[in-house]
Amino acid sequence: KAGVTQTPRYLIKTRGQQVTLSCSPISGHRSVSWYQQTPGQGLQFLFEYFSETQRNKGNFPGRFSGRQFSNSRSEMNVSTLELGDSALYLCASSLGVGDTYNEQFFGPGTRLTVL
Amino acid sequence: DQQVKQNSPSLSVQEGRISILNCDYTNSMFDYFLWYKKYPAEGPTFLISISSIKDKNEDGRFTVFLNKSAKHLSLHIVPSQPGDSAVYFCAASYNTDKLIFGTGTRLQVFP
Repeated sequence: KAGVTQTPRYLIKTRGQQVTLSCSPISGHRSVSWYQQTPGQGLQFLFEYFSETQRNKGNFPGRFSGRQFSNSRSEMNVSTLELGDSALYLCASSLGVGDTYNEQFFGPGTRLTVL
Repeated sequence: DQQVKQNSPSLSVQEGRISILNCDYTNSMFDYFLWYKKYPAEGPTFLISISSIKDKNEDGRFTVFLNKSAKHLSLHIVPSQPGDSAVYFCAASYNTDKLIFGTGTRLQVFP
């Protein structure tokens, strides 16, 4: 079956602008998580959505937001972009059910560059 | 506060030898640990995992060891192959799908 897809793959923005990234999970997966990868910081958890509701949130400012649609597709938005937001943004999907860990499958990421 | 740490940013190993990647964590609530492998321009791919109730899990050339008292886990790759060259991330979770990742170790396997 098709994997996790993310669009766009590359994006260049300038400071102060806003950006929206999109993620389509694996068919049947209801949980979508977002991570930011920067050199030296590894992957940092942004938030997780399940059935259109934010279920978990990381330690990022309110400029970072997301949402999930009824078909489980998810978008994340970053407003008032800063240079430090330049990163690879990764989306991961999982079944999201039960109270134990569900294996997550990652997309290829969106490379955001803020000038 | 880095709850999951990979103190070696890089590791170089000869083909055929053992690669040992290490990871330390601080949160005793973590109940599931994973290793992911990442190639440039691709998302991380799952490699192997271990539950906190076990101390070893093996899958082919890959073995993960967990030492809960030391809050330490390691990934052994035997024998190492050039195709194993990638960045390896350890990750941990507790009761949710939220993963806390380490900063990664770049493994280079040379002929």
